Amino acid sequence: EPEVTQTPSHQVTQMGQEVILRCVPISNHLYFYWYRQILGQKVEFLVSFYNNEISEKSEIFDDQFSVERPDGSNFTLKIRSTKLEDSAMYFCASSRGGESGDEQYFGPGTRLTVT
Amino acid sequence: KNEVEQSPQNLTAQEGEFITINCSYSVGISALHWLQQHPGGGIVSLFMLSSGKKKHGRLIATINIQEKHSSLHITASHPRDSAVYICAVSPQWYGGATNKLIFGTGTLLAVQP
Repeated sequence: EPEVTQTPSHQVTQMGQEVILRCVPISNHLYFYWYRQILGQKVEFLVSFYNNEISEKSEIFDDQFSVERPDGSNFTLKIRSTKLEDSAMYFCASSRGGESGDEQYFGPGTRLTVT
Repeated sequence: KNEVEQSPQNLTAQEGEFITINCSYSVGISALHWLQQHPGGGIVSLFMLSSGKKKHGRLIATINIQEKHSSLHITASHPRDSAVYICAVSPQWYGGATNKLIFGTGTLLAVQP
């Protein structure tokens, strides 16, 4: 069964460093998402992406964040200058369509630790 | 106020018990999702529903759109059902489109043998 994959599974970085989190969505899916979950808190929406552009972003997704689909398979989340409060689990998801209510398939997550 | 509220936050059950987890939401939705998250973090979709009831194995999900309420039931619970169960909604914004999910805080279920 096709699945969303994410690398790395765990990333440790120092405050102020740039990190890139990578995701490979399901191959015939057209919509891609990033969510994050700070330890002990609920999952929060960051951004959705379609047709090589951001379709929606949350207040969390400020200028420090960017997303890219550099080739036909990868979908990346870049944090330019990490802060301690960026420490969280980051989930990538994809869906076949972009209709509200379309089922989203989640990757296993990347745990980002900023020291 | 959270747009999606779940109860209880924590639930301990004995193996074999019938379990109910509740979800209430305050926004208009096009669908409601029940998800499962195991220790280690991965999220798996269990159900997506916009009306009525769905059943998959020992899991049953119901939704009442008028009351903005959904329940997830587990029959004949087993220790392997121990996980965090999360309710999430696909909000419906009139005059626009959104496909983000809004999540509840989750219910931590522990089923003891």
